[in-house]
Amino acid sequence: RKEVEQDPGPFNVPEGATVAFNCTYSNSASQSFFWYRQDCRKEPKLLMSVYSSGNEDGRFTAQLNRASQYISLLIRDSKLSDSATYLCVIDTGRRALTFGSGTRLQVQP
Amino acid sequence: GAVVSQHPSWVICKSGTSVKIECRSLDFQATTMFWYRQFPKQSLMLMATSNEGSKATYEQGVEKDKFLINHASLTLSTLTVTSAHPEDSSFYICSGGVSATYEQYFGPGTRLTVT
Repeated sequence: RKEVEQDPGPFNVPEGATVAFNCTYSNSASQSFFWYRQDCRKEPKLLMSVYSSGNEDGRFTAQLNRASQYISLLIRDSKLSDSATYLCVIDTGRRALTFGSGTRLQVQP
Repeated sequence: GAVVSQHPSWVICKSGTSVKIECRSLDFQATTMFWYRQFPKQSLMLMATSNEGSKATYEQGVEKDKFLINHASLTLSTLTVTSAHPEDSSFYICSGGVSATYEQYFGPGTRLTVT
């Protein structure tokens, strides 16, 4: 079983739509959780950290459910510029990041 | 935000040659640097973790004699792919971490093609 699992997509949504991604992780000792965004042939960029209390940054909301070992990302009012691959990332405490394979989002006009 | 640079951004080399990739933290001191690689349509996979002044810790399946990592200062780490083969063609990305936080700052990556 992969340490971090994501639906690869692609998710094709119209502009303005709300889209949600989920991610599950297998290591219950995982300590830190993140969503990264990666554009084609570029390095990943931190989108937001994920906390148990949930956190919101503009149109983006992230949630962590430790009991069920899953993380979610909600994007509201999708923009064309949101098209990218979204990576679920965890730190098991070794300070090295474990990446999911990513979920591809394509926002269409 | 913190900036990490990598050089070169892309390189094409012949099979059997060695390639050195540099990773620099430009405006912070990276006590730990991480090297990842990403094959097409796959996720980033951690290759090794290095702390300044000490030997790198390699992930299972990564040959330390093939992928030589040097982290001689708090702002520079190098990865040398020795005797490169076509299957080493990949996107190599480094990141720098600061001991006080869990944040990592990624370099722009180096695309290696071995012919």
